[in-house]
Amino acid sequence: GENVEQHPSTLSVQEGDSAVIKCTYSDSASNYFPWYKQELGKRPQLIIDIRSNVGEKKDQRIAVTLNKTAKHFSLHITETQPEDSAVYFCAASTTGGGADGLTFGKGTHLIIQP
Amino acid sequence: EAGVVQSPRYKIIEKKQPVAFWCNPISGHNTLYWYRQNLGQGPELLIRYENEEAVDDSQLPKDRFSAERLKGVDSTLKIQPAELGDSAVYLCASSLGQTDTQYFGPGTRLTVL
Repeated sequence: GENVEQHPSTLSVQEGDSAVIKCTYSDSASNYFPWYKQELGKRPQLIIDIRSNVGEKKDQRIAVTLNKTAKHFSLHITETQPEDSAVYFCAASTTGGGADGLTFGKGTHLIIQP
Repeated sequence: EAGVVQSPRYKIIEKKQPVAFWCNPISGHNTLYWYRQNLGQGPELLIRYENEEAVDDSQLPKDRFSAERLKGVDSTLKIQPAELGDSAVYLCASSLGQTDTQYFGPGTRLTVL
């Protein structure tokens, strides 16, 4: 089955700087890659996703890049703010979002230093 | 539009006791998922429903876990008997169809003593 590795496990950046979280996946059939943000005690919330037919997607301060050849994808957050502090999970799916469920990475605890 | 609803939010039980979790998906969402999230880990899929049919339960420990979605809407996940290692957050998610975004509920935090 699919295996998703996520790095780093903890990332501390100064407010206003950029943050980058990286994930690799094992199953070349995976074609859907969402990113979820989870605040302490709250539900995971989708912040951005990308499908295998595109290499990059942006939404304001958040962007995701995908390299299918290397089987890795990354989350980029620019101009970080205190409210960006949370745990971020990457995930992968072979059937475009739902049919096999999502395989998640172990998460990255992002800490924004004031 | 209401999101995915789960109850209870918290449950503390002693080992060997039964426990049940309830999920109400977003209206119109045909696909429903149960995930388990251990502390410091990402969610792991337990079972997926397409309407009332369980189409993927390969990760569900069937000796003690069971689930149902009788009318293709609400779902219940049961553990009987619970073990210490079952302590985790149980998340329910739903999506419109198989290829659509999954939306998560707030989860039920289970503590087994």
